[in-house]
Amino acid sequence: QQQVKQSPQSLIVQKGGISIINCAYENTAFDYFPWYQQFPGKGPALLIAIRPDVSEKKEGRFTISFNKSAKQFSLHIMDSQPGDSATYFCAARENYGQNFVFGPGTRLSVLP
Amino acid sequence: DGGITQSPKYLFRKEGQNVTLSCEQNLNHDAMYWYRQDPGQGLRLIYYSQIVNDFQKGDIAEGYSVSREKKESFPLTVTSAQKNPTAFYLCASTLTRNTEAFFGQGTRLTVV
Repeated sequence: QQQVKQSPQSLIVQKGGISIINCAYENTAFDYFPWYQQFPGKGPALLIAIRPDVSEKKEGRFTISFNKSAKQFSLHIMDSQPGDSATYFCAARENYGQNFVFGPGTRLSVLP
Repeated sequence: DGGITQSPKYLFRKEGQNVTLSCEQNLNHDAMYWYRQDPGQGLRLIYYSQIVNDFQKGDIAEGYSVSREKKESFPLTVTSAQKNPTAFYLCASTLTRNTEAFFGQGTRLTVV
């Protein structure tokens, strides 16, 4: 129940296309859902995050869609660029909890 | 310039040796974490600490030890009991009951 499932494992998108990564969870106590971006050899950095009281959050080209009833959330990258090529992790954290549960990651490659 | 500093960036260990990875933060964060990342995989929690002089085991604590003598520092020792220590190690921190986890740039440990 503590797992966060993530798909696809890898994704190849043409420049200018839309990249979509999906995550699903079981634990209804999760109340904070961040997405992290990681470049090779670097630590993950927060990209965008959402709480379950909203269904969508947009920051620039990045949008999180959240479906509380289905216990799913997704990351959309609009107008994908080669510089977006990285590994993306979704995560979740319980109410007032300290620990994050991470998905296994999606390796995104944006072709020029 | 606030952040988390991990050192060294690369570390080589001989069979049977203990090695210590450093993690220092100047963000005044209460909680600190150690994660292990293997190629193509997500982040697995090794140990975490919510306050000074207190820490808890994560999912894969066997063969590792930590200390939290100061709020700013959370070193990780990889002992000889850890049979497969080659991995990328990430340190992170958060404010108590806050949201974002900040990550260091990682230490790549290789057994030679």
